[in-house]
Amino acid sequence: KNEVEQSPQNLTAQEGEFITINCSYSVGISALHWLQQHPGGGIVSLFMLSSGKKKHGRLIATINIQEKHSSLHITASHPRDSAVYICAVRYANYGQNFVFGPGTRLSVLP
Amino acid sequence: DTEVTQTPKHLVMGMTNKKSLKCEQHMGHRAMYWYKQKAKKPPELMFVYSYEKLSINESVPSRFSPECPNSSLLNLHLHALQPEDSALYLCASSQGFGGLTDTQYFGPGTRLTVL
Repeated sequence: KNEVEQSPQNLTAQEGEFITINCSYSVGISALHWLQQHPGGGIVSLFMLSSGKKKHGRLIATINIQEKHSSLHITASHPRDSAVYICAVRYANYGQNFVFGPGTRLSVLP
Repeated sequence: DTEVTQTPKHLVMGMTNKKSLKCEQHMGHRAMYWYKQKAKKPPELMFVYSYEKLSINESVPSRFSPECPNSSLLNLHLHALQPEDSALYLCASSQGFGGLTDTQYFGPGTRLTVL
């Protein structure tokens, strides 16, 4: 079964801390998607990548294809970053659909 | 316009009711998706429409019936639901070709409660 794992499951940080969320998957992928879901439900796409590194503001996403691993980093974290962060992968043999990880629940305290 | 809209935002229905959820996008996307999300769980794929044709049905019970009247609209018709069907129902759309830039854009969801 193609599975996506994330760690940690829950994370509490103080405002200003550097945060890392990890995602690992089991077989070859064509793309990996990092998503953010705030309380109330709305999901926002943060990054889609298949190699290397992408940066947007305080967010950085990296992927290591050989190790089947991706990380999402948040620099200078802020309480408004509190959300669930979901990793989703498009497997090479699974068409255009994504397989979702369980999510990492982040709370940033002031 | 990079928005996916969903109506209604909240829906409470009895087990004998028939209701519909609606989703709309005007980005010219040719793939549209329905997901079901239970509390503290990731979204679960229900249906995928590609070029207005149902391409994936993830073994969803027949009390959920999707419909894609045109490339901008996606409906989910609900009939004889069970209390365990209470969840957040998310719609998403994408360009539909499966490439790296084929990002899925999500709507805000409809929070459904079945009494």
